[in-house]
Parts: sequence; C-alpha cells; structure tokens
Amino acid sequence: EIVLTQSPGTLSLSLGEKATLSCRASQSVSSTFLAWYQQKPGQAPRLLMYGASGRATGIPDRFSVSGSGTDFTLTISRLEPEDFAVYYCQHFGSSPPHTFGQGTKLEIK
Amino acid sequence: EVQLVESGGVLVQPGGSLRLSCAASGFTFSTYSMNWVRQAPGKGLEWVSFISYSSRTIHYADSVKGRFTISRDNAKNLLYLQMNSLRAEDTAIYYCARDVSPYGDYPLLNYWGQGTLVTVSS
Repeated sequence: EIVLTQSPGTLSLSLGEKATLSCRASQSVSSTFLAWYQQKPGQAPRLLMYGASGRATGIPDRFSVSGSGTDFTLTISRLEPEDFAVYYCQHFGSSPPHTFGQGTKLEIK
Repeated sequence: EVQLVESGGVLVQPGGSLRLSCAASGFTFSTYSMNWVRQAPGKGLEWVSFISYSSRTIHYADSVKGRFTISRDNAKNLLYLQMNSLRAEDTAIYYCARDVSPYGDYPLLNYWGQGTLVTVSS
C-alpha cells in the first residue's frame, strides 16, 4: 500500500507570497496518477491538478505541480484570499487503495 | 449541470446497518465510474470504495472490506453504499464522487456531492 505524507501540516503565509506544498510517497509512483485537491471549510473537496501538469476546469494558472518518483510539489505562485484552504494529494492508480495524504492546511499569516 | 446528492446518513448504533444513496443527474451516469470517500470529523479524506461504470470492477479500502458493499442502478442513476457491522470509527461525512472521464478505471474525482453524515454511537 502506498502511503502519502504531506508537509508541512500547516503553512502560514501572506497574500501574494508563494506557497510550496509537499507530498511524499512511500514508494515510487508515476506522476500520471498523482492528484491534488482543495477543500474549504464546510465544502466538498475540489479537484485542482492531476498528472504531470493537468489543471482541472477553472483552476487558475498560478497553481502548478512538479515532481517525480516519491516527491511531488504543489506550488501556488501568488496567494490570493480564496487559496487559503486544506490541500490533499491523492494517488489514484488502477489498483486500490486510492490513498489520500493527510492534508496541508494553508492559513493566512 | 452535474449534481450528486447523497442521502441516508443518520445516527446508528454500533453493529448496526445503513444504506447510503447518491442520486446523480446532469450527465450520463451509466458511463462514469463512481466512488465513495469519507471524512471523519476534523480529519482528512479517506477513499472508501470504487465501482466501475458497468459494475464489473469494484474496489474497497481495507478498513471497510467485508462490511461495506458498493452498488449502482444505472437505470435509476443511483449509487449505493450498504454499510454493515458499523463501528464508531465509521463516523464520518460520506461523499459520493464521480470520475473525470467516462469509462475510467481509476478514481480521479472532479465532481463531488455535499456529503451525508453518518454517526455511529450508542
């Protein structure tokens, strides 16, 4: 079973700053099967990014992803007020379990 | 507009059973694989189960295997989760979620319902 570990647990940044969120897998995974979700309080999660560079519908280009093997990163280039939320990475390969990381909370400093 | 509406969440005693439903609309339900994902209060997301568009492929998380059963009725646009032998640790908001692409084999989830709360307590 692939375990995804996200860091940091909480990230405190100011508007306009760059956010770098990490997702580390317990074994090598293809970036093709790595996704990122955003969840705001009281709302369902929303798909942000998937694969090597796929961006879900309506997601602005300040969001980007990178990484390979066991280390993956979600970058938000310039934080906007609506970006403060909890972010989850997910491995969604064809074999279960389809694990989520434990999440990173991005809060306003 | 794609809509997923879960129902069936209630307070149930440990050891009890419950069936959740998810009513889908706004897309051709029979061509999309579906999933259940849960979130315990104040905790992160946990994928629970996957069912392919044809019901031919079904997956479960180890934590629910043997206790939960996913199914679907493509004629009625409904997804189900039968939950048996419920435990306190099954307490969570249960979301149904749709795959990004039709005929998909894996849970990349771009549409989610608002969830239904299941509380397991005596």
